[in-house]
Formats: sequence, C-alpha cells, structure tokens
Amino acid sequence: KAGVTQTPRYLIKTRGQQVTLSCSPISGHRSVSWYQQTPGQGLQFLFEYFSETQRNKGNFPGRFSGRQFSNSRSEMNVSTLELGDSALYLCASSSGQGLQETQYFGPGTRLLVL
Amino acid sequence: GNSVTQMEGPVTLSEEAFLTINCTYTATGYPSLFWYVQYPGEGLQLLLKATKADDKGSNKGFEATYRKETTSFHLEKGSVQVSDSAVYFCALSFHSWGKFQFGAGTQVVVTP
Repeated sequence: KAGVTQTPRYLIKTRGQQVTLSCSPISGHRSVSWYQQTPGQGLQFLFEYFSETQRNKGNFPGRFSGRQFSNSRSEMNVSTLELGDSALYLCASSSGQGLQETQYFGPGTRLLVL
Repeated sequence: GNSVTQMEGPVTLSEEAFLTINCTYTATGYPSLFWYVQYPGEGLQLLLKATKADDKGSNKGFEATYRKETTSFHLEKGSVQVSDSAVYFCALSFHSWGKFQFGAGTQVVVTP
C-alpha cells in the first residue's frame, strides 16, 4: 500500500506571497492532519480534516487554512507569508474512526520564506 | 493541558551500546503513547505504540512500556547500530481528533 505523499517536497517563496501544499493520504484513510515542524517550536498541530470537514484546529493564525476533497486529498494554504513560516510541513493520515489512532506521516514539504 | 517531556540530546553512543531515552507525560486520563523516528530529510516513521497501562510496544529491537504510575514511556534498545542514528519523538494522543502532542525530540548519534 502506498504511503502518504506530499507535494511539492521543497518550496521557496518570498514574504507576502501565498503557498498551497498538497497531501494524499494512504488509500482508505479519511482523516488528514497537518503539522508544522521548526527547530524552535518543534512539532505543532495545525488542523485535522475528516470527510471534507475540519474537525479539530490548533492555535495558528487565520493565515493558515486547509481543505479536504471528496477523495480525502487535502491542501493547506498559507497566505501573506512571513519569515517565521519557514518550516517543514508534515501531513499525517489515519482512518479517522478513533480518537487515539496511529497516524502515518508523509515525507513533508520544506518551505523557505525569503 | 497535555504535554510530553523528553530528555535533551544529542545522545552519543558507540555501536552495540545500550540506549535509553526518557519520556514522561502529563495528561488527565489514559492517553495512547507513541514513539516516532525521523531520519535526516524525512518525515516521521512510527516506531512503536502502547494504548493502555502496562502495555509494552516493541519493534526493530526497540521497546517501551506504558507506566501509568510514573506517567512514563521510556524507549530502550539493547544494542544500537549506526543506522539507528536519528531523532526520536515521544508523543501522546488523548481525546482530540488527529492531534498528537509531541516531545521536543532527542537526537541520537551512534558512532562505529
């Protein structure tokens, strides 16, 4: 079974631009979660989507948004990029049926904001 | 709120040495506990997990036991290899859709 895939793997943007990252979950998984990983803050939860609905949200500003499509693929958008948004963005998938399920992570998208 | 505390790294070991990475957690109920490993330039890979007190998770020679009385989930391996060099993350999941609380990560460096 194919794992979680993320595209693109690397991105370079400038301040003020916006960016869209994509995540395809493991086949059959309906839940997708997004995390931001930085050296200073570690791994922080952004949001989780299940059946095209946001079920849970972390503590990030409204510039960070997401959506999920009917095939469970998810996108994350960051508008008005700031230098501090430079990070590795990881998505994870699970079946979404249980509150404490194992999550399976993709390889991440590394975003550099100049 | 829920939190996870891991020992700081880097932890530097010689090949075939014994590895322990301490992890303690704070949660009001019974979370599920996980260890993930991250190799350079990659995402997180599940190493092992435990879902209730006294459960032992094991995989690839690594073990961790869910200790409710000490709120701990320490990772151990009896004989490390150079290929075990990576960053290890302890995490908990508790009554929150899709949300894991991660520790800061512990870098392990194994030298030949």
